[in-house]
Amino acid sequence: SQTIHQWPATLVQPVGSPLSLECTVEGTSNPNLYWYRQAAGRGLQLLFYSVGIGQISSEVPQNLSASRPQDRQFILSSKKLLLSDSGFYLCAWSGGQRFTDTQYFGPGTRLTVL
Amino acid sequence: QQPVQSPQAVILREGEDAVINCSSSKALYSVHWYRQKHGEAPVFLMILLKGGEQKGHDKISASFNEKKQQSSLYLTASQLSYSGTYFCGTYTGTASKLTFGTGTRLQVTL
Repeated sequence: SQTIHQWPATLVQPVGSPLSLECTVEGTSNPNLYWYRQAAGRGLQLLFYSVGIGQISSEVPQNLSASRPQDRQFILSSKKLLLSDSGFYLCAWSGGQRFTDTQYFGPGTRLTVL
Repeated sequence: QQPVQSPQAVILREGEDAVINCSSSKALYSVHWYRQKHGEAPVFLMILLKGGEQKGHDKISASFNEKKQQSSLYLTASQLSYSGTYFCGTYTGTASKLTFGTGTRLQVTL
C-alpha cells in the first residue's frame, strides 16, 4: 500500500531564515505530487504541483520554491521566511488518472514563523 | 474556479442529520469529498463520478447531479466523530487536477 511521509512535523523559525520541508511517497511510482498551505481556520491553497522529476508548476507567486529531485521526493524551500509563511503545509500525491485523480495527503508540517 | 460550499459552518446535536452542498460554475467530471479533523490532514471519504450516482459510506452518503453541477454530502444520525471540516474537490473539463472547495466546518455536540 502507498504511504506518504512529511518532516518535520512541527517547525518554529525566525523571520528571514531558510526553509526546507520534505515529502516522500512509498509504494507507488511516478506519482503526481502537490504542496498545499493552509492558514489557521482556512481552506487549502495549492502552492505547487509536479507530474514528474524536475517538472514543477507554480500556482501562487511568492517567496517559496519547490523541487522534485527524485520520483517520489518533493521538497518545499524558501531562502528567507516571512511572517505570512506561517501555516500548515500539506504534501499530497495522486496516481495521475484523468478526471478521477484522488489526492492523498501526508500528515503535514506545522510552521510558525516568529 | 473554486467550488462553493454551503453552509460555511453548522452545529449539530449528536443524532441529528446534516447536508453539505458543493456547487461549481463549470461542468463536473467527478467530485471528491474529504474530512479534516482539527490539527490533522484531510482524509479522503469518497469519489462520485459523472453519471449522477449516489454513494454511501457507513452513515455518510453523497449524491452528484451533473446537470446542476453540484454534489451533496449527507450525514445521518451524526456522531461526535463526524466533527471536522469537510471539503469537496472537483474535476472540470478544463482542469487537470482537483480544485478544492471553501470548506464546511461541522461541529457535533452532546
